[in-house]
This record gives sequence, structure tokens and C-alpha cells, in this order.
Amino acid sequence: GESVGLHLPTLSVQEGDNSIINCAYSNSASDYFIWYKQESGKGPQFIIDIRSNMDKRQGQRVTVLLNKTVKHLSLQIAATQPGDSAVYFCAEETSYDKVIFGPGTSLSVIP
Amino acid sequence: NAGVTQTPKFQVLKTGQSMTLQCAQDMNHEYMSWYRQDPGMGLRLIHYSVGAGITDQGEVPNGYNVSRSTTEDFPLRLLSAAPSQTSVYFCASSGWDRGASYEQYFGPGTRLTVT
Repeated sequence: GESVGLHLPTLSVQEGDNSIINCAYSNSASDYFIWYKQESGKGPQFIIDIRSNMDKRQGQRVTVLLNKTVKHLSLQIAATQPGDSAVYFCAEETSYDKVIFGPGTSLSVIP
Repeated sequence: NAGVTQTPKFQVLKTGQSMTLQCAQDMNHEYMSWYRQDPGMGLRLIHYSVGAGITDQGEVPNGYNVSRSTTEDFPLRLLSAAPSQTSVYFCASSGWDRGASYEQYFGPGTRLTVT
């Protein structure tokens, strides 16, 4: 079946260091992937996305890498700040507008 | 723009009661979705819609109905509430944002407790 999963449920990072959050997906036919950030008590917020015809996409302080060979997705956050503390979800569009979420990784930034 | 709005913010139901969670968006987005999020878990897709008059089932559709009579509104109906439906419900809408990204916007959520 379709599934998206994360390797690490929690991650603690020193302020100023880079963070890497990983995600595995199982549907090789998926062609669109999204990373979301969810702060406590709020809905998920779009961070960055990538299509399957790309292997890297950069935003402001964030980079998403896609490795289709091993069905792996990662989110890199540069110079992690306390405001980056949140739960991060990868999501996968398995068919037209059907977006499935992974279980999430909790990122904690140590001042 | 108000974005995606959801009402109510909180709701307590007794087992067997029915209710409708409201969702509206003012971004003229074609696509809307409903998710539920259980404590410490990810979001699971309940139902989604690719346009007015068109709906489809997600991962966990049982016990829920939806309809999409207008582009703006996408209500979620619980037919006969069960304790297993205690969760936070998020509505989302999406469309091509400035032609650059297919961004999904989420509402603030409805926290539902079924006793």
C-alpha cells in the first residue's frame, strides 16, 4: 500500500547547527513531495516542495533532496534557530491531489 | 484574504450524535481536503475534492461524508459519532500559488471530543 515514513521520530539540534530530517516513501509512482512544519496548536504550514524530475530544490535556509533510487527524501535546515522547533512532516502526492502524510519528526532546538 | 476558516474550534459530542464541521476558503482554490490528526501522530486523509461537485475518499473515509456544492465550502459530516473519532480535524485547500508552487493551505483545526 501507499505509505510515507520517517526514520527518526525526534531530533535535537544545537542552535546554529544544520538539521537534517529524513523521510522514506514507498510509492515509486509518486511524482510530487512536500515538507510541512507544524507548530503546537496550529495547522501544518508549507515549507518546500519538489517534483520527481528534480533531485534538489533550495529555499530560504531550507533544501530538499530527493533520491528516487532508494525512495528517500530529506529536509535540510541551515543555521537552525529556536523558531524552527516544531514537528516536520513529509507528504507525498500519490495521485491527483491525494496527499498522504508521514508520521512526523519533532525537531527541538537547544539554545 | 481570510484563507481557510474552520468552525467550530472545539466541539464535544456524545456517542451517536451527528454534526457537521464547516470549512471555507476564499482563495478560489479548486482542491480541498479533510484530514484528522490523532495525538502524536501524522495527518490522515479522510476525503478530498478536486472541484465543485467532485469528491473522493482518502485513507480513512468510514464514518464521514462530504459534499462540495460550491468552490468555497467543503463541509465534513459525522453521521454517528464514535469515541474513535476523537481527534483534531484539519481542512486544507490548494491551487497553483503564483504559478510557482502547488501549495496546500491549512485551517486552524477543529478539536473534537466524543464521549
